[in-house]
Amino acid sequence: GIQVEQSPPDLILQEGANSTLRCNFSDSVNNLQWFHQNPWGQLINLFYIPSGTKQNGRLSATTVATERYSLLYISSSQTTDSGVYFCAVERSSSNTGKLIFGQGTTLQVKP
Amino acid sequence: DAGVIQSPRHEVTEMGQEVTLRCKPISGHNSLFWYRQTMMRGLELLIYFNNNVPIDDSGMPEDRFSAKMPNASFSTLKIQPSEPRDSAVYFCASSLAHRQAYSNQPQHFGDGTRLSIL
Repeated sequence: GIQVEQSPPDLILQEGANSTLRCNFSDSVNNLQWFHQNPWGQLINLFYIPSGTKQNGRLSATTVATERYSLLYISSSQTTDSGVYFCAVERSSSNTGKLIFGQGTTLQVKP
Repeated sequence: DAGVIQSPRHEVTEMGQEVTLRCKPISGHNSLFWYRQTMMRGLELLIYFNNNVPIDDSGMPEDRFSAKMPNASFSTLKIQPSEPRDSAVYFCASSLAHRQAYSNQPQHFGDGTRLSIL
């Protein structure tokens, strides 16, 4: 099956700092989503980005499908950004909607 | 718009009891997914439905787990009998899938049910 690797596994930032989270995947994909799991356990959709670049406020994401990776940028981090960030993909040959999740990056933003 | 609604939010029960988790997908969505999250295995897909029909249940752990989708606005995941190792957070998600492909649409998740089996 497709492998999804996220890095770094853990990240500690001072409030106001910028960061880049990475997601590598082992096969071509037709669906890639970034999620934020907040401290209450809720999974929040951040981006649906199988290719290209998108921005939403302080967050942006870029997926380079041909090179099989995606990046999530967090600028001017805030304590509310703390939590776990997941990348999830669906393999192109799957055509089933089945998402495979990475193990996540745990982010802690300190005041 | 209402998102995916799951109930209950928390469930604590004793080993051997039947547990039923409920999910109402986003109106108009035709694909529904059940996931389980544990520390050891992370987030894993259990089963998913398209147009109320189960498409792939290969992720269901064993016969003690069953899922149904009697109509487009309701699904259940049942564990009978429950065991302590079933303790986890169970998420339901839905998406709008094209007729020709089940993919290419984002999935939206409910808030999850935190299940504890004593």
